[in-house]
Amino acid sequence: AQSVAQPEDQVNVAEGNPLTVKCTYSVSGNPYLFWYVQYPNRGLQFLLKYITGDNLVKGSYGFEAEFNKSQTSFHLKKPSALVSDSALYFCAVRDDNYGQNFVFGPGTRLSVLP
Amino acid sequence: EADIYQTPRYLVIGTGKKITLECSQTMGHDKMYWYQQDPGMELHLIHYSYGVNSTEKGDLSSESTVSRIRTEHFPLTLESARPSHTSQYLCASQTGRDGYTFGSGTRLTVV
Repeated sequence: AQSVAQPEDQVNVAEGNPLTVKCTYSVSGNPYLFWYVQYPNRGLQFLLKYITGDNLVKGSYGFEAEFNKSQTSFHLKKPSALVSDSALYFCAVRDDNYGQNFVFGPGTRLSVLP
Repeated sequence: EADIYQTPRYLVIGTGKKITLECSQTMGHDKMYWYQQDPGMELHLIHYSYGVNSTEKGDLSSESTVSRIRTEHFPLTLESARPSHTSQYLCASQTGRDGYTFGSGTRLTVV
């Protein structure tokens, strides 16, 4: 079976500081990993993905994520947070050996304080 | 610019009414999904389809039904709306190794 955990419901960070939103996963095969962002009253927007290759993945709006196979993690990072980054962030995984549906984490609310 | 469209964006309707939430995509994706999400909460998969004439129930039990007669169209129907159906409904499509593409959602309120 496949699963995703986002251990923090809420992350608060001051504007200009680096941010990290954590994600760990469990799959039986090779993982396909994704991050999405959701602004109020909107659908989810794609930020970045890891399928294969370089462990450091760069995505939209200056975000990046690092795939760590030994720790089964895919943490989202940004060197300098903006107030406009405040939103709900979802990590998702798909096992290439399992089914075809993604499993989404419960979401982490990021608040960037001015 | 959106390649997957959901209508209406907002809907307020009385208890017992039949409603259909529309979802269309122009990308030719074979897989489509419906999620239910209470504001700021996690996503719950309620229906999915891997292609025309293929529909399956998701992880969360739902009183809604779906159809997939055309590749681009995946409507969700509630035969008799109840206040417990008040939520946001998100449609998504996907193909290959790509991620999901989500619509903007329909926020449904049943009074």
